Amino acid sequence: KAGVTQTPRYLIKTRGQQVTLSCSPISGHRSVSWYQQTPGQGLQFLFEYFSETQRNKGNFPGRFSGRQFSNSRSEMNVSTLELGDSALYLCASSLGVGSGTDTQYFGPGTRLTVL
Amino acid sequence: AQTVTQSQPEMSVQEAETVTLSCTYDTSESDYYLFWYKQPPSRQMILVIRQEAYKQQNATENRFSVNFQKAAKSFSLKISDSQLGDAAMYFCAYRSPNTGNQFYFGTGTSLTVIP
Repeated sequence: KAGVTQTPRYLIKTRGQQVTLSCSPISGHRSVSWYQQTPGQGLQFLFEYFSETQRNKGNFPGRFSGRQFSNSRSEMNVSTLELGDSALYLCASSLGVGSGTDTQYFGPGTRLTVL
Repeated sequence: AQTVTQSQPEMSVQEAETVTLSCTYDTSESDYYLFWYKQPPSRQMILVIRQEAYKQQNATENRFSVNFQKAAKSFSLKISDSQLGDAAMYFCAYRSPNTGNQFYFGTGTSLTVIP
């Protein structure tokens, strides 16, 4: 099976712009979670989508939003970019059923730099 | 909210030696799952090992094993016969069915392997 893919891998934006990141989960996985990873804060949970619905949400401002499509692919959008949004954004997919064997599998990440 | 604590920001080990990474967590749940993930430099995060809380037997995957102490809420990772390829950031993670599919991650431990 193909792994989790994320596009683009690298992005450079300026303050005030908006950006959309994409994540394609492993085939058959219905849950997609997004994380922001920075050296100082570690992995911070943004939100999780399951069957096109946001199921969990972290403590991020409303500038961060997402959605999931019927094929389980997910997009994350950040509006009005700030310098502090520079980070590695990781996507993880899982079956989403909460069973013991359900594990998150991570994509390679999108490195966002805000200038 | 559940918290996962990794008190060792950095660790080092001589090649072929054994190292133990610590992880503690705070939860009132009795049913949950614990994970160790590895993130090599500039590479994808991968699952190392997984433990179900209801299992008393410690999980083992080749050179990787855990010491799961449920009463103490401790979940340490032991790496035996350390290899250069083990150098990475290691994250401890927690998930409970009662909190949906959300994963809670620690801040990570950076492991250096000395030749």
